[in-house]
Amino acid sequence: EPEVTQTPSHQVTQMGQEVILRCVPISNHLYFYWYRQILGQKVEFLVSFYNNEISEKSEIFDDQFSVERPDGSNFTLKIRSTKLEDSAMYFCASKGQANTEAFFGQGTRLTVV
Amino acid sequence: GIQVEQSPPDLILQEGANSTLRCNFSDSVNNLQWFHQNPWGQLINLFYIPSGTKQNGRLSATTVATERYSLLYISSSQTTDSGVYFCAVGPYNNNDMRFGAGTRLTVKP
Repeated sequence: EPEVTQTPSHQVTQMGQEVILRCVPISNHLYFYWYRQILGQKVEFLVSFYNNEISEKSEIFDDQFSVERPDGSNFTLKIRSTKLEDSAMYFCASKGQANTEAFFGQGTRLTVV
Repeated sequence: GIQVEQSPPDLILQEGANSTLRCNFSDSVNNLQWFHQNPWGQLINLFYIPSGTKQNGRLSATTVATERYSLLYISSSQTTDSGVYFCAVGPYNNNDMRFGAGTRLTVKP
């Protein structure tokens, strides 16, 4: 069964450093998403991406964040100048069509120290 | 934006008991999914159910889109059912999904 793959599974970084979280969505999917879950809290929407551009972003997704689809397979989330409060599980998701099931990756646990 | 409310927030069951988890949403949706978050933090797809009823083993789900709610039924619960259950909905006016706060289920042996 096709799946969304995220790397790394766990990343530890020092405050102020830049991190790039990587995702390989399901092949031929068109809609891509990033979500964040701070430990013990709800899953929060960050950004959606379609047709090579951001289609919607939340208030959390400020200038510190950016997304990119550098080639036909990868979808990345870059966090510049990380803060302690960026520590969370980050999930990538993809959908084939607008009104279809979303598939989530296994997540990247980011720890900022 | 759309509001998603899940109830109860916490649920403790004895092994073998049945339970019903509820998800209410504030606007029309074209997508609704139920997830189980396992102890490692992974979101496991349970059901894609924007409307109607589906069953998978001991689990079943019903969404009444016109009344803006969905129910997840767990029968003959097992300790491995423990974890957090999330409902996520996709509003008609955009393509993303918004999560409820989850129901934390604990099944005791």
